[in-house]
Amino acid sequence: DAKTTQPTSMDCAEGRAANLPCNHSTISGNEYVYWYRQIHSQGPQYIIHGLKNNETNEMASLIITEDRKSSTLILPHATLRDTAVYYCIVIQYNAGNMLTFGGGTRLMVKP
Amino acid sequence: GAGVSQSPSNKVTEKGKDVELRCDPISGHTALYWYRQRLGQGLEFLIYFQGNSAPDKSGLPSDRFSAERTGESVSTLTIQRTQQEDSAVYLCASSFRLAGGSAGELFFGEGSRLTVL
Repeated sequence: DAKTTQPTSMDCAEGRAANLPCNHSTISGNEYVYWYRQIHSQGPQYIIHGLKNNETNEMASLIITEDRKSSTLILPHATLRDTAVYYCIVIQYNAGNMLTFGGGTRLMVKP
Repeated sequence: GAGVSQSPSNKVTEKGKDVELRCDPISGHTALYWYRQRLGQGLEFLIYFQGNSAPDKSGLPSDRFSAERTGESVSTLTIQRTQQEDSAVYLCASSFRLAGGSAGELFFGEGSRLTVL
């Protein structure tokens, strides 16, 4: 699976949009981009995933560049409860969901 | 409840003892995973079960670690002769393998926190 690179940490003001970048320059055509987050002392939680089109759900939006070498997770109106470590994962279509979690981005939402 | 259930939530044991950690996946989920997370670190993959296929054990750190799964239900992770470096949160996840083998989302339990004294 392709390797991902994320900033170690980010801050965001409460009520503002949080934009979390992820680089995956070696992504191949059958690899999906997945985002999970882990709030302190809890198990990871699925957020969203996509292949090449932008995706939106009730939690977030995922913007994937046309060349698919990077993506951005957008939390449109961050709240204090969104403080967590956010993981960007790239995985093959038929890999059996064996996710490999890197270091992720520690997002701190501040009042 | 409808989520992934793990037990015990906390386990303190002495070095050298064996421990068993249990995971009840979401009903109908064919895939089950075990991960380990040491304090302040990321998740390490341990083992993966998918239906009746042979499990992927490539992440198990030593032969002291083993896991079993009965059909598509409960799984048990066993650590023999525990060491202090085994102290971590052990997370279980399950997923429903979608038609065509595409990746579906993983649902994680709250984890079992193991402390080896």
